Amino acid sequence: NAGVTQTPKFQVLKTGQSMTLQCAQDMNHEYMSWYRQDPGMGLRLIHYSVGAGITDQGEVPNGYNVSRSTTEDFPLRLLSAAPSQTSVYFCASRPGQGRGSGKNIQYFGAGTRLSVL
Amino acid sequence: DQQVKQNSPSLSVQEGRISILNCDYTNSMFDYFLWYKKYPAEGPTFLISISSIKDKNEDGRFTVFLNKSAKHLSLHIVPSQPGDSAVYFCAASVGSGTYKYIFGTGTRLKVLA
Repeated sequence: NAGVTQTPKFQVLKTGQSMTLQCAQDMNHEYMSWYRQDPGMGLRLIHYSVGAGITDQGEVPNGYNVSRSTTEDFPLRLLSAAPSQTSVYFCASRPGQGRGSGKNIQYFGAGTRLSVL
Repeated sequence: DQQVKQNSPSLSVQEGRISILNCDYTNSMFDYFLWYKKYPAEGPTFLISISSIKDKNEDGRFTVFLNKSAKHLSLHIVPSQPGDSAVYFCAASVGSGTYKYIFGTGTRLKVLA
């Protein structure tokens, strides 16, 4: 039972480089989200999606792009990495509204630790 | 502006005793609250939730209390076990069906054997 899978687990980038953080879930969840966790701060929402083809911005979207072409995958793109994007990134998924008793529970991946030099 | 605050970064408790983790919020529109537990190198996992129509929710050793007038919630773990050592996040939302949760900064609980 894989749940939410994030790759890679660790990544080091140089300023200005681009990369994609991968996220896949096998629970047929409609909602998917990306968070970043920084020291002294809670998890902050970057982007989210309520279904394939539908995405929107969260609290801290600048510098990140997302797309959702399938229910399973929700990649996060850094177009030009900056040191301020050094963080731990978590992808999460949950059922859509009205999808059973567990509909309010988000399931998180294990995270990607990103360092931008 | 931190809408959800966990003012204790860390807490140590003896095995078998009660652990009490606190969380305060400022937005009176929040009406659904959750606690997540996080082990190192893992993602957060859901622990327990409470709706604002209740003031208490219990699940085994874990109980969450909500005081709406004080905008305060707490998580009680009784009895505490070494395996409970983790970082605990509280989160709040407007409505239970949302995907937008505001998380606190977390409290690191250490249960001493």
